[in-house]
Amino acid sequence: ETGVTQSPTHLIKTRGQQVTLRCSSQSGHNTVSWYQQALGQGPQFIFQYYREEENGRGNFPPRFSGLQFPNYSSELNVNALELDDSALYLCASRLTSGGPETQYFGPGTRLLVL
Amino acid sequence: AQRVTQPEKLLSVFKGAPVELKCNYSYSGSPELFWYVQYSRQRLQLLLRHISRESIKGFTADLNKGETSFHLKKPFAQEEDSAMYYCALSTDSWGKLQFGAGTQVVVTP
Repeated sequence: ETGVTQSPTHLIKTRGQQVTLRCSSQSGHNTVSWYQQALGQGPQFIFQYYREEENGRGNFPPRFSGLQFPNYSSELNVNALELDDSALYLCASRLTSGGPETQYFGPGTRLLVL
Repeated sequence: AQRVTQPEKLLSVFKGAPVELKCNYSYSGSPELFWYVQYSRQRLQLLLRHISRESIKGFTADLNKGETSFHLKKPFAQEEDSAMYYCALSTDSWGKLQFGAGTQVVVTP
């Protein structure tokens, strides 16, 4: 079992609200990626952070934002929640050091927007 | 834009039978291809990647650039192979993954 943890495990919000999801990366991992997995679909890349800077973003609007902290933790923030934001949110961390690194996924946070 | 297609949503096979999960991709460059697996109540984990050219848990996958495919194969399925399998593609060295929709494999005794 890897050291990537996520909190909370489940969350219920209403449309228009804001939510913050948290991820604690494996110790020493300098890169974290966030994915959204809708029911019956594969994960979709939201964005990636490397050494606390955004390092690429998928096809998600600006109301999806993130932060990465020096202590290997990170956050995904979603503003103005919409019903379609209901999904499993996954974070994945890795140590980027120039080689073909393996990234490790957390268990996910399941968000339900009503 | 790149795309990963897994045409089978569900694959049901008998124990001991061969299993092949199809994955096709569209990308004009040289991607890195992966297979990820998610067992029941467990997190997503890497099964294998094409650059390693190794066999994991009896599974192999060969990258066919001509057919833009990366099919996953195992000659004799086991009950513990029952899981959700995702094919994924990365177009840079940062590991940003594009996943297919996944194939649920059910191995029956």
